[in-house]
Amino acid sequence: AQSVSQHNHHVILSEAASLELGCNYSYGGTVNLFWYVQYPGQHLQLLLKYFSGDPLVKGIKGFEAEFIKSKFSFNLRKPSVQWSDTAEYFCAVNAAATSGTYKYIFGTGTRLKVLA
Amino acid sequence: ETGVTQSPTHLIKTRGQQVTLRCSSQSGHNTVSWYQQALGQGPQFIFQYYREEENGRGNFPPRFSGLQFPNYSSELNVNALELDDSALYLCASSPDSSGLTGELFFGEGSRLTVL
Repeated sequence: AQSVSQHNHHVILSEAASLELGCNYSYGGTVNLFWYVQYPGQHLQLLLKYFSGDPLVKGIKGFEAEFIKSKFSFNLRKPSVQWSDTAEYFCAVNAAATSGTYKYIFGTGTRLKVLA
Repeated sequence: ETGVTQSPTHLIKTRGQQVTLRCSSQSGHNTVSWYQQALGQGPQFIFQYYREEENGRGNFPPRFSGLQFPNYSSELNVNALELDDSALYLCASSPDSSGLTGELFFGEGSRLTVL
């Protein structure tokens, strides 16, 4: 069965610290990979996505993620976090179904708190 | 703001009752999907509608049903509510059902409490 694992449920960092959030997925076929973010009181929004090509993708607000196919991983990174990065981060996979549609599978999320 | 609006924002029901949640998709989007997000969990895919037809479904029982209207707005109906149905229900719209763009545009959700 397809699944997405996020190993860190809660992360607390000081401003300017580096961030890496782990994400591993389980699926044998071609997948598209995403990170979504939910800031306090706001809706889920896309942070970045990987479809193909360069495995290092850059998103908004200085975030980047690296797809490592051999490890089934898509870890999120940011060199220097800011207080405004406090949010919940969700890794997600979508894969084509035989019906021609696709289905998203989300991880359980990582709550990041950045201390000023 | 995504342009995806959901109503109601909060509601309380009792076991056995039925509930209808509503979603207006972003302008130009013909695909709507619904997700259940229980406390401490990520969103779980319930089903997807494309041009008024259900074209994808997750592991939810038949008492979870939906509709999509000609204007691409959508409803999620849940019958015979159970305590475990308490969750945040998220609606997301996208401009296509094939996953080519990949991005989902989420509403802020409807929080359902079942007592």
